[in-house]
Amino acid sequence: DAGVIQSPRHEVTEMGQEVTLRCKPISGHDYLFWYRQTMMRGLELLIYFNNNVPIDDSGMPEDRFSAKMPNASFSTLKIQPSEPRDSAVYFCASSVGKTGTGTEAFFGQGTRLTVV
Amino acid sequence: GQQLNQSPQSMFIQEGEDVSMNCTSSSIFNTWLWYKQDPGEGPVLLIALYKAGELTSNGRLTAQFGITRKDSFLNISASIPSDVGIYFCAPRANFGNEKLTFGTGTRLTIIP
Repeated sequence: DAGVIQSPRHEVTEMGQEVTLRCKPISGHDYLFWYRQTMMRGLELLIYFNNNVPIDDSGMPEDRFSAKMPNASFSTLKIQPSEPRDSAVYFCASSVGKTGTGTEAFFGQGTRLTVV
Repeated sequence: GQQLNQSPQSMFIQEGEDVSMNCTSSSIFNTWLWYKQDPGEGPVLLIALYKAGELTSNGRLTAQFGITRKDSFLNISASIPSDVGIYFCAPRANFGNEKLTFGTGTRLTIIP
């Protein structure tokens, strides 16, 4: 069974460019999460979706960040324009929304973004 | 807002030693999860706790959900080299609200 698949694994871009990160959740999972990890701030939840609908985007740092989930098998996180302080590892995770049954969040391998 | 404190921040131990780490909070939680992250990988779930006072084991790992619902600990017995990594607690406030808050992590290093 394939896990959460993220692409690309690494992205290096110049300041001001648009960056799009992609995620394919585990089939059948109805929750999808985007996290950002930095040394300074640790793991931060940016936004999460339930059944393709954004539920909580309070962690999205600025209007430069946007996320979409057009269908149950695909989500994107876009940064436009990118800035050096956006450099981080971005993780996508998915879960089935039935707590107490061991169906907690599974994480992808992450996308390491470097903005120069 | 809620405060989540994970300690220690880092540990340097010898192979075979036992390890203990914990998380405390100013808020009450209904779920405590423990994740491990290897270099270059995403976090992987180790143990999930759903009831106050619950003590759960997974091999050499043991975790407990504090009776006050504001804390949890994770113990690793007889550490081995593959235990190296960063361990995170991740509590959740409400059933039906899937939002997790992650602790700052405990970096475990095993000294040869």
